[in-house]
Amino acid sequence: GAGVSQTPSNKVTEKGKYVELRCDPISGHTALYWYRQSLGQGPEFLIYFQGTGAADDSGLPNDRFFAVRPEGSVSTLKIQRTERGDSAVYLCASSLTGGTGELFFGEGSRLTVL
Amino acid sequence: RKEVEQDPGPFNVPEGATVAFNCTYSNSASQSFFWYRQDCRKEPKLLMSVYSSGNEDGRFTAQLNRASQYISLLIRDSKLSDSATYLCVVTNFGNEKLTFGTGTRLTIIP
Repeated sequence: GAGVSQTPSNKVTEKGKYVELRCDPISGHTALYWYRQSLGQGPEFLIYFQGTGAADDSGLPNDRFFAVRPEGSVSTLKIQRTERGDSAVYLCASSLTGGTGELFFGEGSRLTVL
Repeated sequence: RKEVEQDPGPFNVPEGATVAFNCTYSNSASQSFFWYRQDCRKEPKLLMSVYSSGNEDGRFTAQLNRASQYISLLIRDSKLSDSATYLCVVTNFGNEKLTFGTGTRLTIIP
C-alpha cells in the first residue's frame, strides 16, 4: 500500500531482551517521526529525522533507545535491555517535508515486555 | 505542568447535539495548532489545522485564543461516527516536533 508501514505489528519479549521495530515511510517523505503511546495517553514524541539525520532526539527516554535511518527512507527503532515500562504502542509517522503539521501515521507496533 | 493539557473525558453526548472541548498549552511561543482524531486501536489522523482567525470544516469549528493559550473544537449535529478520541497538537517556533495532548474521548449515543 501507499501508507506508512510498520513491522512487526505485535512483539512480545522478555525483560532484558533486545528489540528492533521497523518503519517504512510513504515514498518521497523526507521527515520521519517516532512516537510511543501508552493506554489512555496521547502519543509521546521520541525522535524526528529529516533525511538521514536525527534532527531532534530529545524525546528518547534514555540510552537504551536508539533509532537510525541510514538511507533516508526506512527507519529502525532499537531498544536494548527492555524493561516492563517500555511496553507501549510505538508509532511511526512521516511527512512530506516536516513542519506542516500533517503527519501520516502507521498502525503502530505493539510492544509487550513480560 | 504538561505542555498540552486536555480534559480526558469521556464525553457522552446524544446524537445530533453540539459538543465542544478545549485544550490549553503552556508555551507562549507555540506557533502551530492542530486537532487530530484517533479511533479506538487505530492510528491518529489529522482532523484540521487551527488558524488564528478560527476556521470551519463542515460541522467542525476550531478556534485559537493566543492570549489565554487555549484552542477549542466544536462539533455540531454530532454523528455516531464522530465517536473517537480527539487529540490537541501543538508545535513551537523553529521546532518540527509535534506535541500531543492526552486526548479527549467522545462517545456519541444513539
